[in-house]
Amino acid sequence: KAGVTQTPRYLIKTRGQQVTLSCSPISGHRSVSWYQQTPGQGLQFLFEYFSETQRNKGNFPGRFSGRQFSNSRSEMNVSTLELGDSALYLCASSLDRAWGYTFGSGTRLTVV
Amino acid sequence: AQTVTQSQPEMSVQEAETVTLSCTYDTSENNYYLFWYKQPPSRQMILVIRQEAYKQQNATENRFSVNFQKAAKSFSLKISDSQLGDTAMYFCAFMKRLIGNQFYFGTGTSLTVIP
Repeated sequence: KAGVTQTPRYLIKTRGQQVTLSCSPISGHRSVSWYQQTPGQGLQFLFEYFSETQRNKGNFPGRFSGRQFSNSRSEMNVSTLELGDSALYLCASSLDRAWGYTFGSGTRLTVV
Repeated sequence: AQTVTQSQPEMSVQEAETVTLSCTYDTSENNYYLFWYKQPPSRQMILVIRQEAYKQQNATENRFSVNFQKAAKSFSLKISDSQLGDTAMYFCAFMKRLIGNQFYFGTGTSLTVIP
């Protein structure tokens, strides 16, 4: 059974550019969440999607957005990149929150 | 607001020994879930163990067990017979049971198993 797949694994972007990260959840999982992980702020919740609808959103500026497709695959987009957006972005999917979420290996974004 | 505190930034343990990682949390919720996740250098967060707050019995998963003290809002993880593969960052996490599919994570404990 395939796990949560995130692409790309690594990404280097220039300040001011935009970036799109992709997440393919485990087959059958309809809930997909995104987290930002940095040494200074730790793991912070970005947003959660269920059946193509955003159900929950963290305290991030509007430059961070996401969407979910009918096959449950999700993308997150960051526009007008800033140096502080450099982080590991983790995607997680779940069938039922009671059983926890399965995480992908993340996308390491570096903004220069 | 929910907060999760892990007061031990780093810990080490000899192989085959037992180690306990501490976690406390603050919430006004009565129904919630608690989790321990492990993050090795591969970066993938791996679920170690989960606990439902309304269950009195402490969860166990092979060498991993928790000591859940609801009144004290404490959720410690005990690793028995430590193995080299247990070396990783360990994160304690809280999730409300009924609304808001969002983890509140602690800052993590870096565990090193010494051969």
